[in-house]
Amino acid sequence: QVQLLESGPGLVKPSQTLSLSCSVSGAPISTGDYYWSWFRQHPGKGLEWIGYTYNSGRPYYNPSLKSRLIISADSSRSQVSLKLTSVSAADTAVYFCARGVPSPHGPTNWFDSWGPGTLVTVSS
Amino acid sequence: DIQLTQSPSSLPASLGDRVTITCRTSERINSYLNWYQQRPGKAPRLLIYAASSLQRGVPSRFSGSGSGTDFTLTITNLQPEDSATYYCQQGYNSPLTFGQGTKLEIK
Repeated sequence: QVQLLESGPGLVKPSQTLSLSCSVSGAPISTGDYYWSWFRQHPGKGLEWIGYTYNSGRPYYNPSLKSRLIISADSSRSQVSLKLTSVSAADTAVYFCARGVPSPHGPTNWFDSWGPGTLVTVSS
Repeated sequence: DIQLTQSPSSLPASLGDRVTITCRTSERINSYLNWYQQRPGKAPRLLIYAASSLQRGVPSRFSGSGSGTDFTLTITNLQPEDSATYYCQQGYNSPLTFGQGTKLEIK
């Protein structure tokens, strides 16, 4: 059974870069079978898709974050990373990584495994 | 971006009840609609994918239906552990988007 676990600093200063890692166990991330994904949830709010890496590294990003975002996968370490530059208080959120499963019947996917999430606060 | 509107936003119910949550999308998305349950302080949990397919391990009390722009999640025989917020999510277009959530409270 796949397990995901996010890690990274809980506090980031404004204008700096937020860096998170997602450690994946129980499923290889190198085969290109899954969408390794990041989401976030602002305090008391709904869910927002950040982006994912698929097919051995090709990333797909939410256009609202694309200019500040890098998502990459390191299969040797079974980790998926997220880097978000020039953060502000608006980036304070719980960040989740998740596994996206491609549909066998069409160009879509769903997210069947999630990490517990990690809270990142942007504050000086 | 495709907008998803869930109703109701809040749903009080009792043990054993049958409830329905609706999700309407701003454009047609075939059956590319998923449902998640999120308990406080926890990660989302996939319940239904592709509008009507039950995720492995999810009780059969949960069911989904719909296509195009109108979708429903139905929960029968409500149990205490069903208290949670439920989200729909479209997988038709980038960016992937979610509904605003429906908070189900078991009285």
